[in-house]
Amino acid sequence: QLQLQESGPGLVKPSETLSLTCTVSGDSISSNTCYWNWIRQLPGKGLEWLGSIHYSGSTHFSPSLGSRVTISVDTSKNQFSLKVTSLTAADTAVYYCVRRYRVRQGVYHMDVWGRGTTVTVSS
Amino acid sequence: AIQMTQSPSSLSASVGDRVTITCRASQDIRSDLGWYQQRPGKAPNLLIYAASNLHSGVPSRFSGSGSGTDFTLTISSLQPEDFATYYCLQDYSYPLTFGQGTKLEIK
Repeated sequence: QLQLQESGPGLVKPSETLSLTCTVSGDSISSNTCYWNWIRQLPGKGLEWLGSIHYSGSTHFSPSLGSRVTISVDTSKNQFSLKVTSLTAADTAVYYCVRRYRVRQGVYHMDVWGRGTTVTVSS
Repeated sequence: AIQMTQSPSSLSASVGDRVTITCRASQDIRSDLGWYQQRPGKAPNLLIYAASNLHSGVPSRFSGSGSGTDFTLTISSLQPEDFATYYCLQDYSYPLTFGQGTKLEIK
């Protein structure tokens, strides 16, 4: 059974860079039908999609964070990662890694979620 | 970016009630919409994909309908475990966007 696990620091200082890793277990990250996503949830707020990556390296990002976000994949470790630069308190959130699966041509869903990791931006 | 507008933002109902949540897209998204349930302190769970397809293991009291710009999630007979927050998500085009959520509370 596919499982995702986020890891990274729980506390980061303002202006620094957040680095989170998602470890995929139970299946290969190198599947042509899977896209690997980061989604966050600000305290008491809704869900915000940040970006996604395919094992081939193809990426898509939300314009809301602009150039502050990068996502990378390491197929040898079955992991993908998120970096967010120039952090502020507004980046304090629960960060989820999520699999978006292509059910069939043109049909997708986000069927596997990590448990989420809480990141606090504070000095 | 496509804007997703959910209504209502909150809803009070009783066990056994039938409830409907709606989601409206700012442009045509075909049937590229999913519904997710989030219980407090937990990650969201997929309920419905492609507007009307029930995800494996999800109880049949959940159903989805709609296409184009207007979509609905219906729970036919509320159970205690259904009191949670529900989100729609359009995956028609990047950036993927969520509705703001509907909090379903016990009356």
